[in-house]
Amino acid sequence: AQTVTQSQPEMSVQEAETVTLSCTYDTSESDYYLFWYKQPPSRQMILVIRQEAYKQQNATENRFSVNFQKAAKSFSLKISDSQLGDAAMYFCAYSIVQGAQKLVFGQGTRLTINP
Amino acid sequence: DGGITQSPKYLFRKEGQNVTLSCEQNLNHDAMYWYRQDPGQGLRLIYYSQIVNDFQKGDIAEGYSVSREKKESFPLTVTSAQKNPTAFYLCASSPSPGQHNEKLFFGSGTQLSVL
Repeated sequence: AQTVTQSQPEMSVQEAETVTLSCTYDTSESDYYLFWYKQPPSRQMILVIRQEAYKQQNATENRFSVNFQKAAKSFSLKISDSQLGDAAMYFCAYSIVQGAQKLVFGQGTRLTINP
Repeated sequence: DGGITQSPKYLFRKEGQNVTLSCEQNLNHDAMYWYRQDPGQGLRLIYYSQIVNDFQKGDIAEGYSVSREKKESFPLTVTSAQKNPTAFYLCASSPSPGQHNEKLFFGSGTQLSVL
C-alpha cells in the first residue's frame, strides 16, 4: 500500500524568508501524481501545487516550488518570500494515475509565519 | 457560483443514532469522494463514486454508508456501528474519474461530534 510521511509536525519561519517542508512517500508504481494542499484555519482544502511523476521538471506556482526526487521518493515544498497568509496546515498527498483520483495524505505540517 | 455544498456545518450525534451528512455539487462532476479528518492528522478516504448508482469502499468504510442516486448528490450516513465518529468530514468532486490532471474540488466540511 502507498504511504506518505511528513516528518515535521510543526515549522516556523520569519515573514519574507524561505521555508522548506519535507515529504517522503512509498510506492511500487512508476507513474503517479503528488500534491501539496494547504488547509488554513477555515479548514478549506486548497491545492497549492501538483507534480506528475513522469515529468522530470519540478513544478512551480509563483512563490511555491517543489523539489521532486523520484529515486529517493522525496517531494519537498519550498515557499519563498513567506507571507502571513501562508500560515496553515500543509498536507502532502499521492494518487495513482489510473482510475479514481483517490488521494493518500500525510499527517501534515503546521506552518507558522512570524512577523 | 459553482461549487460543493456540505451541510450542516456542525452536527451532533447521540449514542446509537444514525446521522446523514449532505454533499451537493453543481459542477457537473462525475466523481465524488468522502474523506475523514481526525485532529492533527491527514485525510482518509471513506467512500468514492465514479458514476451514478455506483460507489466503492475506501480505506475506512466500516460504519459508514453512501448512495449516489443523482449525479449532483453523494450523502454519507454515519451509522451506529461507527464507534468513534467524532471527526471533520470533507466531501470532494472531480470532473472525470480517470483524469488526474483535473483539479479535485473540496467542500467546506462538516464537524461531527458525539453527545
